[in-house]
Amino acid sequence: DVKVTQSSRYLVKRTGEKVFLECVQDMDHENMFWYRQDPGLGLRLIYFSYDVKMKEKGDIPEGYSVSREKKERFSLILESASTNQTSMYLCASISGTGGAYTFGSGTRLTVV
Amino acid sequence: AQSVTQPDIHITVSEGASLELRCNYSYGATPYLFWYVQSPGQGLQLLLKYFSGDTLVQGIKGFEAEFKRSQSSFNLRKPSVHWSDAAEYFCAVGGGGATNKLIFGTGTLLAVQP
Repeated sequence: DVKVTQSSRYLVKRTGEKVFLECVQDMDHENMFWYRQDPGLGLRLIYFSYDVKMKEKGDIPEGYSVSREKKERFSLILESASTNQTSMYLCASISGTGGAYTFGSGTRLTVV
Repeated sequence: AQSVTQPDIHITVSEGASLELRCNYSYGATPYLFWYVQSPGQGLQLLLKYFSGDTLVQGIKGFEAEFKRSQSSFNLRKPSVHWSDAAEYFCAVGGGGATNKLIFGTGTLLAVQP
């Protein structure tokens, strides 16, 4: 089975800090995604990548950036964390030929 | 605009009762449709998917869903709910392609009464 690993389950960061959320998948998937999940809003796409060094903005990219230097790793960066970025962050991957997403377990980020 | 609507935010059923969770979508092309389940504090697990063919799709944990193109719906069903089914359920739609982007609904939280 494909495994998507998010490095941290829980994070607490201070306002203004630069925050890195890491995601690694082990099945050579081309496409990787970062979502944030908030009560009543479902999952909203922040950024996605369909190849190494390729990235595209999703629906809510403001305040975030991403990095994909290697195929298996997709990092989400909060340049200057703010309290409104407190949320659950979910990483997902899928083969370029289609199928279904595989999700990581999520990182619950609290910005204080 | 492409969208997914799950009209029920919260549903409570008794253990052993049947369940139907509603999902309506708006999508310009032939959709790929998915149902995911999320247990508290966890990521999302795929329950079932529809790409083409038979419009009644069987999934894991005894769930099934029916694609009705005329109604733009993909409702999730289970004939007899177990206490362990208590979770949040998400419907999603996409079109495949190079990016494989999915659009998710806002979720339905299922509570199961003993």
